[in-house]
Amino acid sequence: DIQMTQSPSSVSASVGDRVTITCRASQDISTLLAWYQQKPGKAPKLLIYTASSLQSGVPSRFSGSGSGTDFTLTISSLQPEDFATYYCQHSKSFPLTFGGGTKVEIK
Amino acid sequence: EVRLVESGGALVQPGGSLRLSCAASGFTFSNYWMGWVRQAPGIGLEWVANMKQDGSEKHYVDSVEGRFTISRDNAKNSLYLQMNSLRAEDSALYYCARDLISASCCYGMDVWGQGTTVTVSS
Repeated sequence: DIQMTQSPSSVSASVGDRVTITCRASQDISTLLAWYQQKPGKAPKLLIYTASSLQSGVPSRFSGSGSGTDFTLTISSLQPEDFATYYCQHSKSFPLTFGGGTKVEIK
Repeated sequence: EVRLVESGGALVQPGGSLRLSCAASGFTFSNYWMGWVRQAPGIGLEWVANMKQDGSEKHYVDSVEGRFTISRDNAKNSLYLQMNSLRAEDSALYYCARDLISASCCYGMDVWGQGTTVTVSS
């Protein structure tokens, strides 16, 4: 099975900050990676697919990059509504594992 | 409106069974891969299973293989998860989700239900 490791597990940031979250796969997954945002008590929301494609309706301050084993999600200017937990998930092969999550907290 | 609504969650004893349902509306259900994702309290997301549009492919996480069965009824726009031999570690909020791209797997899940809670305890 492919393991997905996210870092950091949590980050404290202020409104307006640039935030970068990293996801590492245990083997080459090409660009078969998605990013999700989850707020407390809510279902996850798809942000990015195929590593860098922005899902419809998602603000352009979110961007994804990477290929192979190393990927990043960047929030260019953190907004109050962005405080949430973020997950990566690969889709290279089954099982489609998620990373452990990164909680973005208010500084 | 594109919508998924899960039901069937309950408190069940270890070793028991439960069947979750997911009712889809607002899109052509029979065109999409569908799946289940769970989340234990305070824990991250875990992909559980998914299924091709026509039912010809089904995939499971190792921890539920042989105990859980995913199925669908395209005529009823419904997805199911039959859960047998339940264990305490199966306790979680179970989400039904749709794959992003019609007739393709697996680019991400773009439509999610609100979840249904399964608690396995004596």
